[in-house]
Amino acid sequence: AQTVTQSQPEMSVQEAETVTLSCTYDTSESDYYLFWYKQPPSRQMILVIRQEAYKQQNATENRFSVNFQKAAKSFSLKISDSQLGDAAMYFCAYKEGGSEKLVFGKGTKLTVNP
Amino acid sequence: DAGVTQSPTHLIKTRGQHVTLRCSPISGHKSVSWYQQVLGQGPQFIFQYYEKEERGRGNFPDRFSARQFPNYSSELNVNALLLGDSALYLCASSLVGSNNSPLHFGNGTRLTVT
Repeated sequence: AQTVTQSQPEMSVQEAETVTLSCTYDTSESDYYLFWYKQPPSRQMILVIRQEAYKQQNATENRFSVNFQKAAKSFSLKISDSQLGDAAMYFCAYKEGGSEKLVFGKGTKLTVNP
Repeated sequence: DAGVTQSPTHLIKTRGQHVTLRCSPISGHKSVSWYQQVLGQGPQFIFQYYEKEERGRGNFPDRFSARQFPNYSSELNVNALLLGDSALYLCASSLVGSNNSPLHFGNGTRLTVT
């Protein structure tokens, strides 16, 4: 079974600084997708960024970028120029090609200090 | 456009009772998925429905059931509630049941079983 591991239960960063959240996954599939979701206290899961496994280029969305290391099965999220509004739980998730099922990690709580 | 809407937002039930949670997908979305998020954990996949048919089921007991209606809205039913069923239940919809359609989540229903 596919598993997703987030080894950092909590992280903190100073406003305007850069922080990297770690994620590793385990799969024997070649067709899959990886995601980072943000869950603020409002509870809604918000998609931050996604990466198709077949793409070698790392995905980027404004201040958010990933470091996708397929051989190492690593998928870290880098947040640049951190803002107070970035404070939330961040979940790494995996989806097999052809399936709608997301497998989530346990999450990392990000605190942004002013 | 309205996002994924879930009702009720909060619910308190007694052990052994039955509960029905409701979800309305984004207009035009035909796939609905349900997730259970226990406090301090990432969401876990319960069901996926596409075009009113069950397309996937997670590792949950038969006390959990769901259905999708002709207008693509969905209900999640849980019978014989246990204390361990206390969780945030998230509904997500997508345009089509395919790889390139991201999941859009609702704000969830917080279920407390006493």
